[in-house]
Amino acid sequence: AQSVTQLGSHVSVSEGALVLLRCNYSSSVPPYLFWYVQYPNQGLQLLLKYTTGATLVKGINGFEAEFKKSETSFHLTKPSAHMSDAAEYFCAVTEPGYSSASKIIFGSGTRLSIRP
Amino acid sequence: EAGVAQSPRYKIIEKRQSVAFWCNPISGHATLYWYQQILGQGPKLLIQFQNNGVVDDSQLPKDRFSAERLKGVDSTLKIQPAKLEDSAVYLCASSRDRGGETQYFGPGTRLLVL
Repeated sequence: AQSVTQLGSHVSVSEGALVLLRCNYSSSVPPYLFWYVQYPNQGLQLLLKYTTGATLVKGINGFEAEFKKSETSFHLTKPSAHMSDAAEYFCAVTEPGYSSASKIIFGSGTRLSIRP
Repeated sequence: EAGVAQSPRYKIIEKRQSVAFWCNPISGHATLYWYQQILGQGPKLLIQFQNNGVVDDSQLPKDRFSAERLKGVDSTLKIQPAKLEDSAVYLCASSRDRGGETQYFGPGTRLLVL
């Protein structure tokens, strides 16, 4: 069974500082991994995803994430935080293929706050 | 390309009343999902359609929740009767196909049950 654990329900960083949001997963097969962002009163928007190939994935708004199989992690980073990055971030995992397991499981989310 | 549309955006009802939400997915997307997102939690899948057939409804409280996807396009999610614990945001998403495809989310319907 798949699961996702996001460490830290709330992360606060200063504007211009490094952003690091942690995500660990469990999956019985090589997974697909996603990071979504949710701004207040809006739906989720895909930031980036890992399927196969290069383990460092670049997404929108300067975010990137690295798939580390040995650590079962997919942490999200951004070198320099901007005020507009303040939002809720969700890590998600799915098992590829056309099986009943091909549904996305979301983590509980990390709220990112940016200090001026 | 138009995104996923949902209506209404907000709904307030009293417990034991019924409510319905509507979703129009991105044109050409075969798979449609309904999620429930309780405050402070990640979205939880309620039901997944592939065209107009149900793929997964294992987490749908079938005694009070129902959903249909007419002609494999629009979808409606209904709650009857509503309970206080149904207060949440109901998100609709669609993807071209299943099997790990990227899902595109609508803005959600925020439901408050009093």
